[in-house]
Amino acid sequence: QQQVKQSPQSLIVQKGGISIINCAYENTAFDYFPWYQQFPGKGPALLIAIRPDVSEKKEGRFTISFNKSAKQFSLHIMDSQPGDSATYFCAASRPNTGNQFYFGTGTSLTVIP
Amino acid sequence: DAGVTQSPTHLIKTRGQQVTLRCSPKSGHDTVSWYQQALGQGPQFIFQYYEEEERQRGNFPDRFSGHQFPNYSSELNVNALLLGDSALYLCASSSLGSSYNSPLHFGNGTRLTVT
Repeated sequence: QQQVKQSPQSLIVQKGGISIINCAYENTAFDYFPWYQQFPGKGPALLIAIRPDVSEKKEGRFTISFNKSAKQFSLHIMDSQPGDSATYFCAASRPNTGNQFYFGTGTSLTVIP
Repeated sequence: DAGVTQSPTHLIKTRGQQVTLRCSPKSGHDTVSWYQQALGQGPQFIFQYYEEEERQRGNFPDRFSGHQFPNYSSELNVNALLLGDSALYLCASSSLGSSYNSPLHFGNGTRLTVT
């Protein structure tokens, strides 16, 4: 059973456009929601993360929007650049479970010039 | 400051064999987690080690075992390899004990192919 559902599977965006990736979860015990970026041949790298006590977090061109009641969160990449082309994973974890993260299935983003 | 390092980078094994993968955590980190990433999928949690003990375990059979050494480095062992064990195995480290959610720093993984 997929604990975190991610969509779309792939996304093509023009340079300068906005990329939006969505995730949904069922387990209300989740209290930490990171997004990871993975380039081919590399491990995932933490991009940005949010806790459910806030509805939005922004770091540079990357923003997480969090809707606790809908159990959904999304990643927005503003002014998308070709260098943003990568696979993005959302994840979630429960408190006191160490680093047992549940990952989504990933979104392959391609930003075309 | 070295990040998480994993060895080897690639490995080819035959079904039924055993394999050991190695991981050195990022400097200052004391907790190591292992994840399996099948092609086109997100990472799946195998287990986590802290203070040389397995603290959390995901839904993986006993064929998957691990160890953490006093210097915080870790090994993942897989016995009786199956074709379905072919995947990228990721090691991730963090700086806090098992009671906290802390950012994971991943290595670049070991690509295991079982033939």
